[in-house]
Amino acid sequence: ETGVTQTPRHLVMGMTNKKSLKCEQHLGHNAMYWYKQSAKKPLELMFVYSLEERVENNSVPSRFSPECPNSSHLFLHLHTLQPEDSALYLCASSLRDGDYGYTFGSGTRLTVV
Amino acid sequence: SQQGEEDPQALSIQEGENATMNCSYKTSINNLQWYRQNSGRGLVHLILIRSNEREKHSGRLRVTLDTSKKSSSLLITASRAADTASYFCATVVSGRSGGSYIPTFGRGTSLIVHP
Repeated sequence: ETGVTQTPRHLVMGMTNKKSLKCEQHLGHNAMYWYKQSAKKPLELMFVYSLEERVENNSVPSRFSPECPNSSHLFLHLHTLQPEDSALYLCASSLRDGDYGYTFGSGTRLTVV
Repeated sequence: SQQGEEDPQALSIQEGENATMNCSYKTSINNLQWYRQNSGRGLVHLILIRSNEREKHSGRLRVTLDTSKKSSSLLITASRAADTASYFCATVVSGRSGGSYIPTFGRGTSLIVHP
C-alpha cells in the first residue's frame, strides 16, 4: 500500500447510473489530484485540490464532479457517463509544492456499459 | 498542453542489459520526476531531479537533466525481469500566481525485460 487508498478497485456502471469514487490519504499531504488514464494516451489531469484552491482541466465534462471535504479525502462523483469514459482513474496526493513527488493510489478501473 | 514526451514508446531488452529512456519537454520546469507503473496499477515515484541539478542516482537508476535541451534521461543498469513496466516522466511547473504545482505526464515508455 502506498498510503493513498482508492475505492472501489473496479466499477461497472450503466450510462444512467450515479456513482462516486473515493480517495483517502493520511500522509499529511495538502494537495490531492484526480487523473484519468486511457489506453495509448497520456495521463490526463482532471482536478487538483490544494489547500483551499481548486484547479480544473477545462476539457473535463461536467458529468465528472469532484468534492474535497478535507485535506485527507477526495471524491469523484460520476453521473450519466459515456462509454468513452471507461478508463483507469487515479488519485494522487502530495505536499503542495510538489517538491517531494506524488503518491498515487492503485486506481479505480471504471467500465461504462 | 502536454509537457513530457517519452521516447522510445516501447523498449525490449534482455536481462542484464541497460535500458535508457528519454523525456523531452517544452517549457521551463520546477522539477522533473520519473515514475514506474506496473500493468493496471498506480504510479510509483522513482526519482526527482530539480531544475538546478544535472544528475541523480538511486540504486540502479541514473537520471540526467539538460535544461538547455529541455530533456531528461532515465538509465536502468543491469536490468531485471522485474523491471518490466511502463515508465513515465512528469514535468512540474508552478501554477499561476504562485498557486498549485501541476505535474504533467507523457504517454510513457513500455519496457520489457526478457529473462
